[in-house]
Amino acid sequence: ETGVTQSPTHLIKTRGQQVTLRCSSQSGHNTVSWYQQALGQGPQFIFQYYREEENGRGNFPPRFSGLQFPNYSSELNVNALELDDSALYLCASSFEGTGANVLTFGAGSRLTVL
Amino acid sequence: DQQVKQNSPSLSVQEGRISILNCDYTNSMFDYFLWYKKYPAEGPTFLISISSIKDKNEDGRFTVFLNKSAKHLSLHIVPSQPGDSAVYFCAASHQTGANNLFFGTGTRLTVIP
Repeated sequence: ETGVTQSPTHLIKTRGQQVTLRCSSQSGHNTVSWYQQALGQGPQFIFQYYREEENGRGNFPPRFSGLQFPNYSSELNVNALELDDSALYLCASSFEGTGANVLTFGAGSRLTVL
Repeated sequence: DQQVKQNSPSLSVQEGRISILNCDYTNSMFDYFLWYKKYPAEGPTFLISISSIKDKNEDGRFTVFLNKSAKHLSLHIVPSQPGDSAVYFCAASHQTGANNLFFGTGTRLTVIP
């Protein structure tokens, strides 16, 4: 059973640029969520995808967008990067319908915006 | 607006003793609570959870207690082991099955051999 894998592990961008982060869900999972963890903070929910559609969103602006593909892999896209976007971005997968909130997290992609 | 709070950034405990990690929340609509453990360079891993209809849940060395009237939960680890050294996050959600989890800022537990 493979876990959640994310790429890249680290990247550096400059303000105003765009970034795409990728995630492969755990085998058998059909729901993916993305979280942002700023330094010294807990993870904060960005959005969730189920059946390739966004079905839940936290307090993040529209420049944060995502995709979920038929094979349940996922992308997080952030446009017009700002310095405050510097954070660890965590992808988490789960199986919708289990009635549980148990998420399987990847190790994250650390984004630095200069 | 931090709806889930972990007021102790760090905790040190001797091996074999009890570790107690605390968490407070402000939103009375939360009905499901979880603890995650995070090692460096790894993602958080699920540890234990509790529904609001219960006040205690046990899993081996780990027990979570929920006091709804005080909006407080705690994680007890007995006995503590050096491998338990990690950052522990408390999380809460509005409904069982929802993936929108509200996390605390974490408590770094160090178990001293």
